[in-house]
Amino acid sequence: EVQLLESGGGLVQPGGSLRLSCAASGFTFSSYAMNWVRQTPGKGLEWVSAISGSGGSTYYADSVRGRFTISREDSKNTLYLQMNSLRAEDTAVYYCAKSYSVLDGSSHWGQGTLVTVSS
Amino acid sequence: QSVLTQPPSASGTPGQRVTISCSGSSSNIGSNTVNWYQQLPGAAPKLLIYSNNQRPSGFPDRFSGSKSGTSASLAISGLQSEDEADYYCAAWDDSLNGHWVFGGGTKLTVL
Repeated sequence: EVQLLESGGGLVQPGGSLRLSCAASGFTFSSYAMNWVRQTPGKGLEWVSAISGSGGSTYYADSVRGRFTISREDSKNTLYLQMNSLRAEDTAVYYCAKSYSVLDGSSHWGQGTLVTVSS
Repeated sequence: QSVLTQPPSASGTPGQRVTISCSGSSSNIGSNTVNWYQQLPGAAPKLLIYSNNQRPSGFPDRFSGSKSGTSASLAISGLQSEDEADYYCAAWDDSLNGHWVFGGGTKLTVL
């Protein structure tokens, strides 16, 4: 059974940093692309970033490019999102999601981790 | 404001057929396939339709998707109370080095 478990969320001050992790199990992690998608409480979904199965290609939404970095550690079956220079508008539930490739829909999602940016 | 345009709400009575539209542009829906996600209250999204009209196992054939030009639609027939959820369309956008875009979501209410 595919399982994705996010962690690392919490309260951080504006301008601060946070690193999210997503522990994967139940599939060959290295063979799949991974995504981060966020959702402001009560609002819609916003794609944040994607990384190819090889890790050789990364993609970012304009709203986070230059501030967030996606990476993966296949030996640990773990996906990361390093978030720097955080802003109030980054407050959201962050989901990690698995897809066959970067261009495919996300077939499995974690339960999400809440990031709150506030002073 | 979302790149893909969906109606904010839709409704129907049990047994009815409802459709949800999703409008985009040549750089997203016009060039790539469309996915639909279902998000039940308090839960993470689930992939409902992929590649315009394909259903993952676990979803009944009451759910169907279609695409024409720069628009797509999700149809739900034989509406059931458990279909009450938020529905999102998504497509890869070829502009700006490539990125995913979502619709703003449609809240489906079963009356």
